[in-house]
Amino acid sequence: NAGVTQTPKFRVLKTGQSMTLLCAQDMNHEYMYWYRQDPGMGLRLIHYSVGEGTTAKGEVPDGYNVSRLKKQNFLLGLESAAPSQTSVYFCASSYLPGLGANEQFFGPGTRLTVL
Amino acid sequence: GNSVTQMEGPVTLSEEAFLTINCTYTATGYPSLFWYVQYPGEGLQLLLKATKADDKGSNKGFEATYRKETTSFHLEKGSVQVSDSAVYFCALSANFNDYKLSFGAGTTVTVRA
Repeated sequence: NAGVTQTPKFRVLKTGQSMTLLCAQDMNHEYMYWYRQDPGMGLRLIHYSVGEGTTAKGEVPDGYNVSRLKKQNFLLGLESAAPSQTSVYFCASSYLPGLGANEQFFGPGTRLTVL
Repeated sequence: GNSVTQMEGPVTLSEEAFLTINCTYTATGYPSLFWYVQYPGEGLQLLLKATKADDKGSNKGFEATYRKETTSFHLEKGSVQVSDSAVYFCALSANFNDYKLSFGAGTTVTVRA
């Protein structure tokens, strides 16, 4: 099993450009998450999904959109990148509540730089 | 709201030294508590967890005890190795069935041979 995978691993954008980060999991998890990691701030939740076709806002959703068209994939989009979105982005997934839902499995991360 | 406060790093130790990373939390009800570890260039992985007061989580020689009276979940290891060099995150969920995690800022630990 590959677990949680993310593409790309690195990306450099210019201000105003758009891009999509792809997350895939092969553990049949219902729940998926996107976080950003910034120095001294830990991980902050951007958006999450509790099942195929559903998404919800997290702590810092502005400037991002997401889609969960297939259970195994969770896409994070930046429509018009800004330097403040320079960060490391992590995707995670977990089981349903009552089945250890709060144990999350993380991908290796995407390092994004916006110039 | 729920929050986690970790001791600031970085922490630098020699091999076989004792490691403690302090973590305190603010939450209503009965949160579950976690320690995640991030090795260089990798994503986070669960190190240990505790779901109720006085529970002790343990893994890979690390231990942490859920102390409700002091709202703490300090991480300890008696003898660290170079391979323990990583960033350690304390986290909580509001309860056993809550899927949202609140993370601390992370503590960078470097172990020197």
